[in-house]
Amino acid sequence: DTGVSQDPRHKITKRGQNVTFRCDPISEHNRLYWYRQTLGQGPEFLTYFQNEAQLEKSRLLSDRFSAERPKGSFSTLEIQRTEQGDSAMYLCASSLVRARGGYTFGSGTRLTVV
Amino acid sequence: GENVGLHLPTLSVQEGDNSIINCAYSNSASDYFIWYKQESGKGPQFIIDIRSNMDKRQGQRVTVLLNKTVKHLSLQIAATQPGDSAVYFCAEGSSGSARQLTFGSGTQLTVLP
Repeated sequence: DTGVSQDPRHKITKRGQNVTFRCDPISEHNRLYWYRQTLGQGPEFLTYFQNEAQLEKSRLLSDRFSAERPKGSFSTLEIQRTEQGDSAMYLCASSLVRARGGYTFGSGTRLTVV
Repeated sequence: GENVGLHLPTLSVQEGDNSIINCAYSNSASDYFIWYKQESGKGPQFIIDIRSNMDKRQGQRVTVLLNKTVKHLSLQIAATQPGDSAVYFCAEGSSGSARQLTFGSGTQLTVLP
């Protein structure tokens, strides 16, 4: 296992289109997180899963955003009807419950909405 | 080299000098704090963490200091190396919110040869 994997690394889409990103966490990690990072800012929490259950969602996660983790392994983040303000880096992270040492982040998916 | 809070987002130090990066956190209920390093094109990488029942923790070349009275966190890097050049973020969390972290806006550390 080489860490948290995210796909694609880059996505350019036209405004109004739907996009979906995938995250494969470290295999034994039961917690999975999605964060969004805009240029020059720190990551902002979007949502997190423990196994397949989505337990917390940020107010940033509008109704155009949906995240799933159907089998408690990989996760997808879908953005419907993309807007230019959605342009950002979308970061996935994973961890064990009760783990010390923070999360392990992936390298992110950079979304550009044109 | 030293910066003060998040109002000076860049810090330049000479190679071999010690670096101090400061962070003011906002939530008195936060009981867990982490420093992350982020290089260009990569996700944040864990450096060191500290719980609120401690005021100092040391790692390899790094030390985190926590002052809960003034809600201040600092990261000290000893003998700064070129590979330390990156953006550094502090993050705060609460054990009551399942490790949802709130990140600061970061400090760009540049190590000069």
